[in-house]
Amino acid sequence: ETGVTQTPRHLVMGMTNKKSLKCEQHLGHNAMYWYKQSAKKPLELMFVYNFKEQTENNSVPSRFSPECPNSSHLFLHLHTLQPEDSALYLCASSQAVGQGRLGTYGYTFGSGTRLTVV
Amino acid sequence: QKEVEQNSGPLSVPEGAIASLNCTYSDRGSQSFFWYRQYSGKSPELIMFIYSNGDKEDGRFTAQLNKASQYVSLLIRDSQPSDSATYLCAVNDDKIIFGKGTRLHILP
Repeated sequence: ETGVTQTPRHLVMGMTNKKSLKCEQHLGHNAMYWYKQSAKKPLELMFVYNFKEQTENNSVPSRFSPECPNSSHLFLHLHTLQPEDSALYLCASSQAVGQGRLGTYGYTFGSGTRLTVV
Repeated sequence: QKEVEQNSGPLSVPEGAIASLNCTYSDRGSQSFFWYRQYSGKSPELIMFIYSNGDKEDGRFTAQLNKASQYVSLLIRDSQPSDSATYLCAVNDDKIIFGKGTRLHILP
């Protein structure tokens, strides 16, 4: 496996379900990100992990819960979602050049999880 | 609030012509700049990055950076229908800030 791998590729869940999205990067990067992309909207940064520490939470509702057990894996736990949470969820990674310099060499994105909440 | 501005388009360009995509950014201290291509329903793919003023060429793509004017552009020569996509300009400011993207449509 190379690059950034996300699973599942597609997910349909009810509003009362609990599910998790998984991201794994094989690039030796040390920073990972969750983005949300809704139809015809720009990328919305949700969470940033730098050296496994969460460094940013962009006012994301608590029904989204991230977890980063190590610098290669990132999860997004979902519970009691709303239909408006239906979107493409993208994971990305980068090589942080020390603390506070995350994007020097660009981000590599996974293929995304297409989430539909019914 | 640091911003990256792009015209949302769509920008329609005849096949074989040059497509020109533009982007401005607000933080004069930004150091590195990226262009991502995103096909419908797919994830963004990095196609160009540029750090220094001037032009950087890679195949049919040329990125242009003017830090004094705070703009970045992407030129696509000999446009092909497969170039039809949304192009995201991104600026590194500690973390990367993305523009909203410009939809490019190459007319066969």
